[in-house]
Amino acid sequence: AQSVTQLDSQVPVFEEAPVELRCNYSSSVSVYLFWYVQYPNQGLQLLLKYLSGSTLVESINGFEAEFNKSQTSFHLRKPSVHISDTAEYFCAVSLSSNTGKLIFGQGTTLQVKP
Amino acid sequence: GAGVSQSPSNKVTEKGKDVELRCDPISGHTALYWYRQRLGQGLEFLIYFQGNSAPDKSGLPSDRFSAERTGESVSTLTIQRTQQEDSAVYLCASTQGGATIGYTFGSGTRLTVV
Repeated sequence: AQSVTQLDSQVPVFEEAPVELRCNYSSSVSVYLFWYVQYPNQGLQLLLKYLSGSTLVESINGFEAEFNKSQTSFHLRKPSVHISDTAEYFCAVSLSSNTGKLIFGQGTTLQVKP
Repeated sequence: GAGVSQSPSNKVTEKGKDVELRCDPISGHTALYWYRQRLGQGLEFLIYFQGNSAPDKSGLPSDRFSAERTGESVSTLTIQRTQQEDSAVYLCASTQGGATIGYTFGSGTRLTVV
């Protein structure tokens, strides 16, 4: 069975500082990897995903994540955060056979301080 | 509709009562998912519908939980004889075909069992 571990429940950071939100997964078969974001008082939205090809994937708002198969990780990074990045971030995995079911991590709350 | 619609947005019920939660997916989305998010925890998979295939019920926590979906339309999640540990936000998501395209989430139903 697949599982996802987000190592930090909360990450406080000052505006314009870099940030890394950690995600590790466990699976005996190939997987697809996702990051979802939930802004305050909004629903979850897809931020970025890794399906195949280049191990580095980017979002439109400056986040990036790198798939590391040997370390079974998919950490999310941003070189300079904004106040508006304050949100809860969820890492998720699905089987590459695409049964459609996502398994989510516990979530990491990113708190960006001025 | 334009998004995934869930109703009610909030529900307070007495322990032992039955509740029904409703989800209207995006028109044309063949796959529909229910998740539960307890306070301070990640998303817990409950059930997954894909077209006319048999649903994946592997995440339902007990036989008090059941869900139905007629074709590719509305789904209802029913919890019988509610318990306090059922208190959570119940999230519905839909997608046109599998997790790789990305889920569209509803805003959720916050269930409080008193």
